[in-house]
Amino acid sequence: NAGVMQNPRHLVRRRGQEARLRCSPMKGHSHVYWYRQLPEEGLKFMVYLQKENIIDESGMPKERFSAEFPKEGPSILRIQQVVRGDSAAYFCASSPRGLDGEQYFGPGTRLTVT
Amino acid sequence: DAKTTQPTSMDCAEGRAANLPCNHSTISGNEYVYWYRQIHSQGPQYIIHGLKNNETNEMASLIITEDRKSSTLILPHATLRDTAVYYCIVRVAGGGGADGLTFGKGTHLIIQP
Repeated sequence: NAGVMQNPRHLVRRRGQEARLRCSPMKGHSHVYWYRQLPEEGLKFMVYLQKENIIDESGMPKERFSAEFPKEGPSILRIQQVVRGDSAAYFCASSPRGLDGEQYFGPGTRLTVT
Repeated sequence: DAKTTQPTSMDCAEGRAANLPCNHSTISGNEYVYWYRQIHSQGPQYIIHGLKNNETNEMASLIITEDRKSSTLILPHATLRDTAVYYCIVRVAGGGGADGLTFGKGTHLIIQP
């Protein structure tokens, strides 16, 4: 049973470009969470999604960031017009139940903005 | 979610039991205690959780005091691969919260050879 998969593992973007991060949850999991870890800081919750629905986006920056989890395919975290402060590790987690404390994390995508 | 307090860092000799404490004096009756760890540069890993009874799985044991105001995660035979930051998180399970996990600063456990 494959774990949570994220790609790409490393992503380099220039300021102003768009970044797309993908997350495939564990088989049988229909709930996805995105977290961000800035350098030398702790993980911060960004958004919680179920298939085709955003349930809680209280941790998402108000501008440039969006997330989706379509009926088919992976969840996507999209960052438009990236800035240097967006450089971070972005982790996706999935759970079989909603709002669950038992979450399974992917290996993360390390975004570097030059 | 209730606030937790953990020591910043701890050392443990390889092969010995590592006991990681966590204080959660404001825990509510319907809040569980969860433990995760993050090995350097990897995604966090779920370890164990419990409500009021002690729990054990293949990775660790969780001891929760009778008043539920503190708990201890026990790694029975620590190895070098257990060096990581360990997070104690208190939250309602399955539907009571409105956000994701809240990670504090955790305890940096260093296993010494």
